Parts: sequence; structure tokens; C-alpha cells
Amino acid sequence: AQKITQTQPGMFVQEKEAVTLDCTYDTSDPSYGLFWYKQPSSGEMIFLIYQGSYDQQNATEGRYSLNFQKARKSANLVISASQLGDSAMYFCAMREVRSNDYKLSFGAGTTVTVRA
Amino acid sequence: KAGVTQTPRYLIKTRGQQVTLSCSPISGHRSVSWYQQTPGQGLQFLFEYFSETQRNKGNFPGRFSGRQFSNSRSEMNVSTLELGDSALYLCASSLPGLASQETQYFGPGTRLLVL
Repeated sequence: AQKITQTQPGMFVQEKEAVTLDCTYDTSDPSYGLFWYKQPSSGEMIFLIYQGSYDQQNATEGRYSLNFQKARKSANLVISASQLGDSAMYFCAMREVRSNDYKLSFGAGTTVTVRA
Repeated sequence: KAGVTQTPRYLIKTRGQQVTLSCSPISGHRSVSWYQQTPGQGLQFLFEYFSETQRNKGNFPGRFSGRQFSNSRSEMNVSTLELGDSALYLCASSLPGLASQETQYFGPGTRLLVL
């Protein structure tokens, strides 16, 4: 079964506007971490933001914020004031502690295209 | 601090050959993970090394192997290449810590094309 689901294959956003990327996850582990990565066309995966399952507040990193709704198993990424350089593929990922396998499980990704 | 480096960046091989990819982690990072990324399968975990020991392996055939050296640098090897091995191979390093919090930092990847 898919552990991470990203239902938006592609999105267009106008420069300077905000965009929300959806991510839902599936786990029975009470302890887990959620991560968002950006992958430009060059291929490198760039870490954006982290949210722990026990964190009470939503994570924020500059223009990135994570809308964490634990009961709904949702961890949406919000990019505010979009820039042309934000055009990339975005991946949601999860690591479960109980599995103890140290791997990240990734979603299929969402392609974001920022229009001038 | 320098990021994760991977060599080579691009590689073209033919079926049946073998290939070795190299990854140098961020200084101080002792855990190295490898992922394969293809358009059809997305990002899939290959294996993870910590202190020269493989801690976990993904669901890949035995043709895929890896190792880690005492300086934390890692190599992965694919023997008897198949067309389906064409992919972007990503290496990631992390500091050891709480499993749920350990952030993996990725390198630029090696693009392998098997003809």
C-alpha cells in the first residue's frame, strides 16, 4: 500500500501567489517524521522542511510552511510568494521509527510551474 | 560545508556491463543511503550504510550492492546491467540521530543510461 500520496501531478501558480501542495500519509507508527524535498530539473533533491509527529506546532522555514493535520494524516506544503525559481518537482516523504529501517518513503511528486 | 558529492554525474553503459557509483557524504555524516529514481517507479530505496555496515536493504535484486568505507564514503555497484537499470541514482547522507528526525541531504545524482 502507498504510504505517501500526492494527488496533484502538476500545478501552475502565478508569481508572487501562494500555492499548497497536498500530501497524505498512511502509518500506524505513533512516531514518524515528515519531510518535503524540492527537485529542480538538475536532479538534486533539496531538503525544505521537516515535521515530527509529536510536534505541536506547524513547521515553518522561510517561505515554506507545513500544514500538519495529524488526525487527517495530512502534511500539506504551503509556498508563499512564489518565485520563478520555485518551478520544480516537490516530494513529500516519511520515515517511520518503528520500522527501524532508516529509509524515506516518497510520494510520486507534484510538478510546480510558476508563471511570470 | 561542502554538500554531498556524487561521481560520475553521467554514465552510459551497455547491457551486461557493470558499473560503480561513488558518493562522498557531508563532512561528519556517517549514514549514507542510496535511492533509484525512474519515471515509472518513482523514488525507491536501495540500501543504507552506517559505520561501514549495511543497516537496511530495499527490494532490489542481488545485482545491486554497496559498501561504505571508514571515511564514510560509499560506493554502489550494479552488475550485469539491464535496460531497466537506466535511472537517476541519488545518494543521501545524514547525521545519526533520532530516527524520525534524521534529515537526509541528497547529492546531485548520477544519471545512468543503459543501452
